[in-house]
Amino acid sequence: DTGVSQDPRHKITKRGQNVTFRCDPISEHNRLYWYRQTLGQGPEFLTYFQNEAQLEKSRLLSDRFSAERPKGSFSTLEIQRTEQGDSAMYLCASSPGRALGEKLFFGSGTQLSVL
Amino acid sequence: AQTVTQSQPEMSVQEAETVTLSCTYDTSESDYYLFWYKQPPSRQMILVIRQEAYKQQNATENRFSVNFQKAAKSFSLKISDSQLGDAAMYFCAYRRETSGSRLTFGEGTQLTVNP
Repeated sequence: DTGVSQDPRHKITKRGQNVTFRCDPISEHNRLYWYRQTLGQGPEFLTYFQNEAQLEKSRLLSDRFSAERPKGSFSTLEIQRTEQGDSAMYLCASSPGRALGEKLFFGSGTQLSVL
Repeated sequence: AQTVTQSQPEMSVQEAETVTLSCTYDTSESDYYLFWYKQPPSRQMILVIRQEAYKQQNATENRFSVNFQKAAKSFSLKISDSQLGDAAMYFCAYRRETSGSRLTFGEGTQLTVNP
């Protein structure tokens, strides 16, 4: 168990650029979540995958955001035409998907700064 | 929609003393799960304790225990014998009893432990 891995740890970009983040969940975890956390706030749900299927999306996930999990393993989150309001920490979490109310394992996040 | 409220932005405690963090939530569901997560400076969210709403007995994990009042929709965390390593941001979270359901987090409480 190597934990949930996120890359990069930090990303600085200019407004209008596209960025892509990667999340590698714990091996054999079939559920994967993306959350966004702004300074001084709790994480907010963005989207959720069961294997490769994206089953739920928050209204926070505008059409500039897209997430994929092509083979049911790692996932990517892309933000197109970044805006300053996108500056936040993007957290990924995974879980085995075997029990209700189960524990989520979080990564250390990707901190995005849009200049 | 479910909401989670943490009314204490900051709390402090002396090492070896006991501290209680407050959390209230609003839901129309009867079955759900409640969690306390810890986020140290490393930013990785770590599960501290979990409570199933259908269980009347309060959950306990070593020095951590909860006071779950279902009728009052209150879910406080008590940390006994506080240690320096307990210093972190603590988030209360709610999850419906639905497979794969999202977590809804509160705003967090920053806990300082004084030596």
